[in-house]
Amino acid sequence: DAGVTQSPTHLIKTRGQHVTLRCSPISGHKSVSWYQQVLGQGPQFIFQYYEKEERGRGNFPDRFSARQFPNYSSELNVNALLLGDSALYLCASSAIGRGQYNEQFFGPGTRLTVL
Amino acid sequence: AQSVTQLGSHVSVSEGALVLLRCNYSSSVPPYLFWYVQYPNQGLQLLLKYTTGATLVKGINGFEAEFKKSETSFHLTKPSAHMSDAAEYFCAVSVRGYSTLTFGKGTMLLVSP
Repeated sequence: DAGVTQSPTHLIKTRGQHVTLRCSPISGHKSVSWYQQVLGQGPQFIFQYYEKEERGRGNFPDRFSARQFPNYSSELNVNALLLGDSALYLCASSAIGRGQYNEQFFGPGTRLTVL
Repeated sequence: AQSVTQLGSHVSVSEGALVLLRCNYSSSVPPYLFWYVQYPNQGLQLLLKYTTGATLVKGINGFEAEFKKSETSFHLTKPSAHMSDAAEYFCAVSVRGYSTLTFGKGTMLLVSP
């Protein structure tokens, strides 16, 4: 079975632009979470979606938004890019969003560079 | 809110030596604790987890960790380092009932021949 997939693998944008990152969860998983990993730091939680509804949001500005589609894939959108948005963006899927422990499985990430 | 502190941004060991990576957590409720490994240009792979039950947990590749509530620690150990263990290691905590993770800043493990 395929793991979590993310696209694109690498992306270069300039300041002020907008970017869309995509994630496909493991088949059967209904929850998707997004994390930002700045170079030299641990991943930071951005959003969690479960059954197409936002179930959690980290401490990120409104320039960051996301959605989940009926097939449980997800998009992360970032508007008005800043140099500080350069990071590895990780997507993780799990069977359910809350209620009991569910392991999160991580994708390979999308490396975003903002110039 | 939860937090994780990993002591030492870099740890160097010789091949065959003991590996010890330190992790302390803060949580107002009983935590779930995790260790992940990240190889260059890759995502995160779960090494091991503590949820409930036995406080000494064994993971993949010979790693293990012990949950010590009194010390709020979850240190990762491996008796004998291998060159292939060179990677970045992240300790993480989540609150029971939720699956979102709070990560530490990571520790880079360097293994020399």
